[in-house]
Formats: sequence, C-alpha cells, structure tokens
Amino acid sequence: DIQMTQSPSTLSASVGDRVTITCRASQSISSWLAWYQQKPGKAPKLLIYKASSLESGVPSRFSGSGSGTEFTLTISSLQPDDFATYYCQQYNSYSLTFGGGTKVEIK
Amino acid sequence: EVQLVESGGGLVKPGGSLRLSCAASGFTFSSYSMNWVRQAPGKGLEWVSSISSTSGYIYYADSVKGRFTISRDNAKSSLYLQMNSLRAEDTAVYYCARDVTGGGSPWYFDSWGQGALVTVSS
Repeated sequence: DIQMTQSPSTLSASVGDRVTITCRASQSISSWLAWYQQKPGKAPKLLIYKASSLESGVPSRFSGSGSGTEFTLTISSLQPDDFATYYCQQYNSYSLTFGGGTKVEIK
Repeated sequence: EVQLVESGGGLVKPGGSLRLSCAASGFTFSSYSMNWVRQAPGKGLEWVSSISSTSGYIYYADSVKGRFTISRDNAKSSLYLQMNSLRAEDTAVYYCARDVTGGGSPWYFDSWGQGALVTVSS
C-alpha cells in the first residue's frame, strides 16, 4: 500500500496567518491527491482534488499544490471557521490511503 | 441535495456480526460508486471498501478482506456493509461516502453521511 505522511501533526496558528500543511507519498502518485477538512463530530468535507483543483463552494483561500510524492495544502489567511483537522488521501492505487491528519489549533 | 444516512450501528461482541446500511437520496444512486470509510475513536480516516455503480468492481482494505462484504441495491438506493468476525480493532464510526466516479477503481469522495458507530466489546 502507498503510505501517506502528513506534517506537522498539530499546528498552532492565529486568525489571518498563512498556513501550510505537507503530505508526502511513499511512491509517486502523480496528481491523484485529495484534501479534506474535518471538524469534531462531523464527517469530512472535500476541499481539493487532483492535487490543486478547488471543489465547488470551497473558499479560494484554500489551495493545493504538488505532484509526484510531495504535496501541500495552503490556507492563505486563516479564518475562525478553519480550525479543524485536515487529511490528504491518495487515489493512485485502488487501495486508498489517508494521511494521519493535521490538527490546526488556535494559538 | 445529496443525503446519505447510515444505520445499523451498535454494540457487538468480538466474533459477532453486524450489517450497516446507507440510504441515499438527492442524486442518481445507480450512477456512482460508493464507499465505506471508518474512523476509530480519536484516530484518523481509514478506507474500508468500495463498490462500483453496477457492482462490477469491488475492493477491500486488507484489514477487512474476508470478513466484510460490501453490496448495494440500486432499486432501493441503498448501500450495505456486512461485517462478520468482528474484532475490537473494528470499533469505529463508519461513514458511507459517494465516489466522484461510477466505475473501476475508487477515487475520492464528494459527499459523506453522518456516520454510524460500531463498538466491538465483550
């Protein structure tokens, strides 16, 4: 299986900060990567697909980049609603795998 | 509006069985692949199984292969997960998730249910 490693596992930031989360794949996955946001007690929400395509309705402060084995999710100006846990997920292989998650906390 | 509603969760003893259901509405169910994704308490997300729109392609995570069976009834717009030989490590919230594609390998998920808690404990 393709292993997905996210860093950091926890991130403390303030409203207005620029935030970057990294996701690394154990082998090349081209651009077959999605990002999700999850709030406590809620289902995940799709943010980004194909590494850099913004899902409809998702604010433009969210962006994704990367290809091959290294990817980033960037929030350009952190808003109160953005404090949550973020997961990457590869779909290069039928055996889908998620990263371990990055919790974005209030500083 | 897309709606996915899971049911059938609960407490079961190790070695026992449970069947989860997911009722779909608000879209043409028969056009989409569907998936089960689980999340153990306080842990991350784990993909469990996928079934294509016509049930022609079915995939399982190694952790559940041989114990879990995914199925669907397009006439009833419903997805199922039969879970046998349950273990403590299967304890999790199980989410039903709609794939963006209809066939072949699973991709990513644009709609999720609210989840059903399965607890395996004696």
